[in-house]
Amino acid sequence: DADVTQTPRNRITKTGKRIMLECSQTKGHDRMYWYRQDPGLGLRLIYYSFDVKDINKGEISDGYSVSRQAQAKFSLSLESAIPNQTALYFCATSGTGWSTEAFFGQGTRLTVV
Amino acid sequence: AQSVTQPDIHITVSEGASLELRCNYSYGATPYLFWYVQSPGQGLQLLLKYFSGDTLVQGIKGFEAEFKRSQSSFNLRKPSVHWSDAAEYFCAVGAEGQGFSFIFGKGTRLLVKP
Repeated sequence: DADVTQTPRNRITKTGKRIMLECSQTKGHDRMYWYRQDPGLGLRLIYYSFDVKDINKGEISDGYSVSRQAQAKFSLSLESAIPNQTALYFCATSGTGWSTEAFFGQGTRLTVV
Repeated sequence: AQSVTQPDIHITVSEGASLELRCNYSYGATPYLFWYVQSPGQGLQLLLKYFSGDTLVQGIKGFEAEFKRSQSSFNLRKPSVHWSDAAEYFCAVGAEGQGFSFIFGKGTRLLVKP
């Protein structure tokens, strides 16, 4: 099984709909992240969390919300999807100290029509 | 503010040729530095990382990178490229700001000619 699992892998939704992307990890890490990837823009940080009570906005949090349901679970919601939120979304986890590297899920390709 | 610049959007090399992908960062302290690779339709895989110590670090798949503090650079190299190296490469900084996060460059797409 993958260390970081994202569901769904692909989703097409309509403008104005609420959608949730889910992420779970088996690494035992406290730190979790949500990024979006757009061609030519690299990965941009949406939200990050260091534990279930610590949630922080990233560079591009507008239009998104998150929930850290447990150490292993971190979900991203689009309250009212719009077409420019069409992107590839990645969840990642990280350890600390010498284990500070990001482990990524396979990504969720979201299309908003 | 912390930032990462990858000056080359695309690079094309011939199979068997050497490769160097450039990365410059802006960060006040000694950063954590990473190179990731993304194959089409895949997530990101860590190639190598630098935290401290020897400035030349070895990674997987025959890649290496050199940290040069004076140039704020962390360039990725490979002596002989294989067709399977065609992918997108991302340089990243692990940075303290409001907490700790990873800041990525915009990526360099590597094309390998036979």
